[in-house]
Amino acid sequence: SQTIHQWPATLVQPVGSPLSLECTVEGTSNPNLYWYRQAAGRGLQLLFYSVGIGQISSEVPQNLSASRPQDRQFILSSKKLLLSDSGFYLCAWSPGSLGVNIQYFGAGTRLSVL
Amino acid sequence: AQSVTQPDIHITVSEGASLELRCNYSYGATPYLFWYVQSPGQGLQLLLKYFSGDTLVQGIKGFEAEFKRSQSSFNLRKPSVHWSDAAEYFCAVGPRHGSSNTGKLIFGQGTTLQVKP
Repeated sequence: SQTIHQWPATLVQPVGSPLSLECTVEGTSNPNLYWYRQAAGRGLQLLFYSVGIGQISSEVPQNLSASRPQDRQFILSSKKLLLSDSGFYLCAWSPGSLGVNIQYFGAGTRLSVL
Repeated sequence: AQSVTQPDIHITVSEGASLELRCNYSYGATPYLFWYVQSPGQGLQLLLKYFSGDTLVQGIKGFEAEFKRSQSSFNLRKPSVHWSDAAEYFCAVGPRHGSSNTGKLIFGQGTTLQVKP
């Protein structure tokens, strides 16, 4: 069966520090991968998605970037964190063009920028 | 424009009472429809989905949803709510299989369910 892992679960970082959040998927190949952010009391905002290795699409201009160095690995990064980057970050995968478009979510990372 | 509207930001029901969470969508063609649930500090879990066929679909935890094409709605229901159902619920729509290679979903803003003892 397929599983998705996100880490770390929680992170407290000072303003101006770098960020790296990692997401990996097991039990499938060539998935679509997604990064979302939830600000407190708000809905889901799609940040990035990827349909293949090295293929990243950005949904909103921001202080963050994403990379997909391997088929089942998706990384969210920042060179210098802002206060406004605080939130709950969720990674998700879907089976891609050969499968049905159901998204499955990881457990999330709570990021606090102080 | 494509969008999903969940008109109720917050709903409070008594334990044992029935529940209906509303969802309306705007989409170019009949999409795939989903309901997800999120417990505090957790990821989203798929409750149920509608692809085609019977417009009343059953999901996990005793939830069901009804697709009404004429009303562009996909409301979530449960006959008797349990205290453990307290969570945030998201309605989402997405492209049908083969119509998109991105699989991007459009989510509503969510409805927070509080259950009174």
